[in-house]
Amino acid sequence: GEDVEQSLFLSVREGDSSVINCTYTDSSSTYLYWYKQEPGAGLQLLTYIFSNMDMKQDQRLTVLLNKKDKHLSLRIADTQTGDSAIYFCAERFHGGATNKLIFGTGTLLAVQP
Amino acid sequence: DTGVSQNPRHKITKRGQNVTFRCDPISEHNRLYWYRQTLGQGPEFLTYFQNEAQLEKSRLLSDRFSAERPKGSFSTLEIQRTEQGDSAMYLCASSPPESRQETQYFGPGTRLLVL
Repeated sequence: GEDVEQSLFLSVREGDSSVINCTYTDSSSTYLYWYKQEPGAGLQLLTYIFSNMDMKQDQRLTVLLNKKDKHLSLRIADTQTGDSAIYFCAERFHGGATNKLIFGTGTLLAVQP
Repeated sequence: DTGVSQNPRHKITKRGQNVTFRCDPISEHNRLYWYRQTLGQGPEFLTYFQNEAQLEKSRLLSDRFSAERPKGSFSTLEIQRTEQGDSAMYLCASSPPESRQETQYFGPGTRLLVL
């Protein structure tokens, strides 16, 4: 089935690390993505990881993929108040004519100064 | 510029009216997607175009919804006889041809409120 789950809320202090977790169900997913959405705005792509990788690092962002457990995480180092937003993980649905994205419900990250 | 643009950004309408939204993808992106996002949820796939061909439609897309991409560039999404349950953010995304990771780039969305 198509189901991506995330915890709803995460609160951290400025300067700490944030870890946002996601589980997905489609074991044939080839790419997994993290998007950021600020209030009233569209989605901004943060990073993606290919399913044959365990980890990907991009500046303050680290993505970890545990394919066996179908678990994906996004770590934000040195979290800033500007990182406050909703973070969505998404898997690329494999099948049919399209590579549509299946999104989780989003995790609201609140960064306290 | 070069991002995905959507118009209008906001639309308020009365139940029963028809509305049409427009999406202009990034130049040379031949793949175009429409998603719908309701409050507190992630985006849900509605439909997909490759060039001018509509290759997939979600079961979320009832008969009142129609999407077109007549010249393989911009796309329109029309909702006929709107209902209050249609209130949502409608997001458009595009991606380039022959891209392994097929990253989808999203527009700012059109927020629809049906009274």
